[in-house]
Amino acid sequence: KQEVTQIPAALSVPEGENLVLNCSFTDSAIYNLQWFRQDPGKGLTSLLLIQSSQREQTSGRLNASLDKSSGRSTLYIAASQPGDSATYLCAVGRGFQKLVFGTGTRLLVSP
Amino acid sequence: EPEVTQTPSHQVTQMGQEVILRCVPISNHLYFYWYRQILGQKVEFLVSFYNNEISEKSEIFDDQFSVERPDGSNFTLKIRSTKLEDSAMYFCASSAGGSRAGHTDTQYFGPGTRLTVL
Repeated sequence: KQEVTQIPAALSVPEGENLVLNCSFTDSAIYNLQWFRQDPGKGLTSLLLIQSSQREQTSGRLNASLDKSSGRSTLYIAASQPGDSATYLCAVGRGFQKLVFGTGTRLLVSP
Repeated sequence: EPEVTQTPSHQVTQMGQEVILRCVPISNHLYFYWYRQILGQKVEFLVSFYNNEISEKSEIFDDQFSVERPDGSNFTLKIRSTKLEDSAMYFCASSAGGSRAGHTDTQYFGPGTRLTVL
């Protein structure tokens, strides 16, 4: 059974810092990995999708990498801003379009 | 920008009652999903739906749950006899459909319906 874990569970940084969120998964037989952002009481906003054949994806200040063989992904956020404060979720795609979600990292960026 | 919409945003019901949660996926998408998130817990997959039938379902999706695409735009989740433990945020999602069999596309999520069972 696929298990997805995210470290750290919570992170607090001052504005302007670069930071890395980690995601690990137990079964490397995945189709893709997707990073989401979740604001309190809200839905999930897709940030980046990395196909299993890719190593990384970039969108603005965000860069996500994937090492399928070691079961790891990282989300790098450059020059963090208070508006980046949210919970970040990673999810691996398996089966027929099914996503298995991680535990999430709660990020707080202070002005 | 196209988005997934869900109604109602909050539903309160009595234990044992039936509820229907409604979703309008992005219009040209072919794959539809329901997930749920119990407060403080992970987002969990419930069911995926393609070509008017269930593609995959989790062990959570037992006989009390059903899904339907009653027309060309709506996608519904019905819970026949609600239990206290069904209280959760329910998310609908849709994706366009991969170019190669078995490969997935970005899933776009709606804002969720908070279901409270009393």
